[in-house]
Amino acid sequence: IQMTQSPSSLSASVGDRVTITCRASQNIINYLNWYQQQPGKAPKLLIYSTLSLERGVPSRFSGSGSGTEFTLTISNLQLEDYATYFCQQSYSTPRTFGQGTRVEIK
Amino acid sequence: QAPLVQSGPEVKKPGASVKVSCKSSGQTFNNYGVSWVRQAPGQGLEWIGWINFDFGNTNYAPNVQDRVTMTTDTSTSTAYMELKSLRPDDTAVYYCARDWDHLGAGSNFVDWGQGTLVIVSA
Repeated sequence: IQMTQSPSSLSASVGDRVTITCRASQNIINYLNWYQQQPGKAPKLLIYSTLSLERGVPSRFSGSGSGTEFTLTISNLQLEDYATYFCQQSYSTPRTFGQGTRVEIK
Repeated sequence: QAPLVQSGPEVKKPGASVKVSCKSSGQTFNNYGVSWVRQAPGQGLEWIGWINFDFGNTNYAPNVQDRVTMTTDTSTSTAYMELKSLRPDDTAVYYCARDWDHLGAGSNFVDWGQGTLVIVSA
């Protein structure tokens, strides 16, 4: 299953609302996870099964979607949110990731 | 959840093999699986396979399945990923991640190792 994210990168200011889209090449129901990766660090799970927030993740992160189209929204962007975000399908093997969306400071 | 601790960086020549370890400190891997994910420099994430820690059944990504072997040592709570016939495009950071004990739909990777850089160069 191919996962396609858009945009590949974006520039935003602190306090902005940011939306990242992830499209699957076939129906994955709601088996979609989101990860955040800071430079030089391992990815960190943010959201699992489309909309469930991982423990300890701030509530400004939210997820939505179903089937083949999903979104990650960051409301009120903070400095620590500047990172790269990846979607990942867990519907079938091989597990596949989107190519990533880099969120940069405007 | 206990952190996962991986072995150190490796530099290998093309055609050689590399074996990366991933140890769960504190909580064991029992009743879990381990997935391995790699990231080439400046690139995205690529899942390369999964192993059930207790029973050793595996599932490998098609593009590496003829070169990769994943194993576990239950006595030391350590998982291993060996990649053979290395090529320069295998250069990447290799991560282990705690996974479900079965490959059903819905799993996710909560705990990750710190990553192991493998460089393949003549």
